Amino acid sequence: AQSVTQLDSHVSVSEGTPVLLRCNYSSSYSPSLFWYVQHPNKGLQLLLKYTSAATLVKGINGFEAEFKKSETSFHLTKPSAHMSDAAEYFCVVSDADSWGKLQFGAGTQVVVTP
Amino acid sequence: NAGVTQTPKFRILKIGQSMTLQCAQDMNHNYMYWYRQDPGMGLKLIYYSVGAGITDKGEVPNGYNVSRSTTEDFPLRLELAAPSQTSVYFCASTGRTDSYEQYFGPGTRLTVT
Repeated sequence: AQSVTQLDSHVSVSEGTPVLLRCNYSSSYSPSLFWYVQHPNKGLQLLLKYTSAATLVKGINGFEAEFKKSETSFHLTKPSAHMSDAAEYFCVVSDADSWGKLQFGAGTQVVVTP
Repeated sequence: NAGVTQTPKFRILKIGQSMTLQCAQDMNHNYMYWYRQDPGMGLKLIYYSVGAGITDKGEVPNGYNVSRSTTEDFPLRLELAAPSQTSVYFCASTGRTDSYEQYFGPGTRLTVT
């Protein structure tokens, strides 16, 4: 069975400071891990994905995430927050043997202040 | 190439009414999915399909039905709408399941009153 826990429901950062969104996962098989972003009243956009290649994954808009198997974590970071990063972020896991079904975390709301 | 399209964008239903949410993709993807997103929550899988004629239940299937007669279309049927089905519904598709991303439609916002 697969599950995801996003450790922070709400994160507030100042523009230009680093962003850290924490995610722990549970998976029975070799997982694929994703981060999606959802801007207000919009659909979902893929930020990045881990697919058992490099453990440090770079995504769009300066985001990156590191897969740590020993810690079952997949934290998302960005060195310098921009106002446009204000959105809801979802950590997502998919087991290798699950027909591509995605298990979403509850989400982290990011607020960026000037 | 329109990707994943959903209609309608918005709908208000009365309790007990029925409706069909439409989803179509033009990427020739075999795998399609329906999710619902309740306020402040992540998405939960309702039903999925691995190809035309093949569907299966997800995490929250009660109150819904699906069919998949073609590769392109994957409609979601709500029978006897209830207030608990007020949500935003997303359809998604993917060409492969080995770590390929799912492409999401823009969503349908449904209110049942």
